[in-house]
Amino acid sequence: DVKVTQSSRYLVKRTGEKVFLECVQDMDHENMFWYRQDPGLGLRLIYFSYDVKMKEKGDIPEGYSVSREKKERFSLILESASTNQTSMYLCASSSLMGGAETQYFGPGTRLLVL
Amino acid sequence: DAKTTQPNSMESNEEEPVHLPCNHSTISGTDYIHWYRQLPSQGPEYVIHGLTSNVNNRMASLAIAEDRKSSTLILHRATLRDAAVYYCILSYNAGNMLTFGGGTRLMVKP
Repeated sequence: DVKVTQSSRYLVKRTGEKVFLECVQDMDHENMFWYRQDPGLGLRLIYFSYDVKMKEKGDIPEGYSVSREKKERFSLILESASTNQTSMYLCASSSLMGGAETQYFGPGTRLLVL
Repeated sequence: DAKTTQPNSMESNEEEPVHLPCNHSTISGTDYIHWYRQLPSQGPEYVIHGLTSNVNNRMASLAIAEDRKSSTLILHRATLRDAAVYYCILSYNAGNMLTFGGGTRLMVKP
């Protein structure tokens, strides 16, 4: 079974702190994604990566950056956390074969910024 | 990106079939139709997908209208564990990208 793991289920940080969210997948997938999920807004794509060291902005990249140094690991970085970044963060991965690739999601990290 | 429209919520009785509708009138010829579901406090999980023909797997069936402007996810016998938010999604960018809408919250009554 595909497994996508996220470093923390719950995280509490203070405004202005630098925050790292880590995601690891074990299926040798090329694509990796970071979403945030907020009530009433659904899942929104922050960034995605289709290869090591490659990244593309999603719909809401402002205030975030990402890093993909190894194929299995995709990190989301909040350079200076703000209260409006309090949210559920979801990582996903899929293979790059075109057509209709299934995205496999991690359990999510619930981040609270005080 | 083509959009989908789903009812906000639906109710079902346990052990009865459930038909979850989805409209996607602006679907293009290369868009796949995906269904994911999200159980409470978990990430979304894949349910089923299709292009033109109806599809079956161990979790559900997907019925796609002939004009592809709508589809229906069928759970043959709902259980309490099927209570979740069900998302109908069209993929884009050669199938690599998904845009999640609001989904349908399915409530299953014992």
